[in-house]
Amino acid sequence: EPEVTQTPSHQVTQMGQEVILRCVPISNHLYFYWYRQILGQKVEFLVSFYNNEISEKSEIFDDQFSVERPDGSNFTLKIRSTKLEDSAMYFCASSPTGPTEAFFGQGTRLTVV
Amino acid sequence: DQQVKQNSPSLSVQEGRISILNCDYTNSMFDYFLWYKKYPAEGPTFLISISSIKDKNEDGRFTVFLNKSAKHLSLHIVPSQPGDSALYFCAARSRSSNTGKLIFGQGTTLQVKP
Repeated sequence: EPEVTQTPSHQVTQMGQEVILRCVPISNHLYFYWYRQILGQKVEFLVSFYNNEISEKSEIFDDQFSVERPDGSNFTLKIRSTKLEDSAMYFCASSPTGPTEAFFGQGTRLTVV
Repeated sequence: DQQVKQNSPSLSVQEGRISILNCDYTNSMFDYFLWYKKYPAEGPTFLISISSIKDKNEDGRFTVFLNKSAKHLSLHIVPSQPGDSALYFCAARSRSSNTGKLIFGQGTTLQVKP
């Protein structure tokens, strides 16, 4: 069964460093998402991506965040200068069309020290 | 942001009995609702969904009920099995969002005892 895969499963980085979280969405899906879950809190929407551009973003998704689909299969989230409060599980998801259910990857645990 | 609320952080039921997980929402623009299940160290897995034009959707042991007037939905699992023990999220999508952005509840941890 097709699935969304994310790498790495765990990333530890120093505050101020740049990190890139990688995702391979399900191949025939058109909508791509990043969500995050800070420990003990809700899963929160960060950004959606469709037709090679951001279609919607939350207030969390500020200038330090960016997304890219560099080669037609990978979907990346870059955090330019990490802060302690960026420590969270980051989930990538994809959907065949926006209005239907999203399929999630297993997540990347980001720890900023 | 409390648009989707799951007021019970945990629920414990006996194997074979019914599990009922509840979810309330406040945004009348929500038109599609989903339930996800999550095991530790894994991502959310889609379980079942319901459109706001329906009041019930069933898939095997899982049934979701939607009460639009009360802005309430529930997930029924019958019969409950130990493998159902997991964290369950309710999520909603607004008709004002054409990208499928989901708003999640806080989750309810279900424990099914053998």
